[in-house]
Amino acid sequence: NAGVTQTPKFQVLKTGQSMTLQCAQDMNHNSMYWYRQDPGMGLRLIYYSASEGTTDKGEVPNGYNVSRLNKREFSLRLESAAPSQTSVYFCASIFRLAGGYNEQFFGPGTRLTVL
Amino acid sequence: AQKITQTQPGMFVQEKEAVTLDCTYDTSDPSYGLFWYKQPSSGEMIFLIYQGSYDQQNATEGRYSLNFQKARKSANLVISASQLGDSAMYFCAMRVSGGGADGLTFGKGTHLIIQP
Repeated sequence: NAGVTQTPKFQVLKTGQSMTLQCAQDMNHNSMYWYRQDPGMGLRLIYYSASEGTTDKGEVPNGYNVSRLNKREFSLRLESAAPSQTSVYFCASIFRLAGGYNEQFFGPGTRLTVL
Repeated sequence: AQKITQTQPGMFVQEKEAVTLDCTYDTSDPSYGLFWYKQPSSGEMIFLIYQGSYDQQNATEGRYSLNFQKARKSANLVISASQLGDSAMYFCAMRVSGGGADGLTFGKGTHLIIQP
């Protein structure tokens, strides 16, 4: 049981290049999320997927696209990277218990630098 | 809109002392959940404790407890008998149930340093 996995761990891009960050979870969770964390800040929600086949914008969606390939996988794409997208990106999935308790499991993060 | 405020950018505490990390929140939804996460220098997000808005008792998990004061909209994390390994960033977060965007809203964090 690997939990939430992300690839790559590190990436350096030039302005204008594109790339896709991959995320997978093996816990059979329905909901998955992408966050970004900038220096000195908490995490901010980029996009989320409440279930397979659905995606919705979060707080900071501009410049990103997502794809919920299947229940396990949720990818984040930067079509034309900008220096402002230099950040650490976290993928997460959620586990809900009866009574509304829920815990978000986070992946290890992807450190992205855009030059 | 939801908002989380952590007013302590950094704290220095002597080993073995208790620590209280402050968190206040703002939401108009009656149903919500409050989380605390630890982020060590290695970068991963580690779940510590959860409090639901309808929970009657304050949550506890080992050395962690949550001092939940609903009327004051505060959810402070208390770490008893601090250890050197507790040095890390600590984030308070909130999730609101029901309609609207899903996901957690985070505060800016508190950098806790435990001194020997």
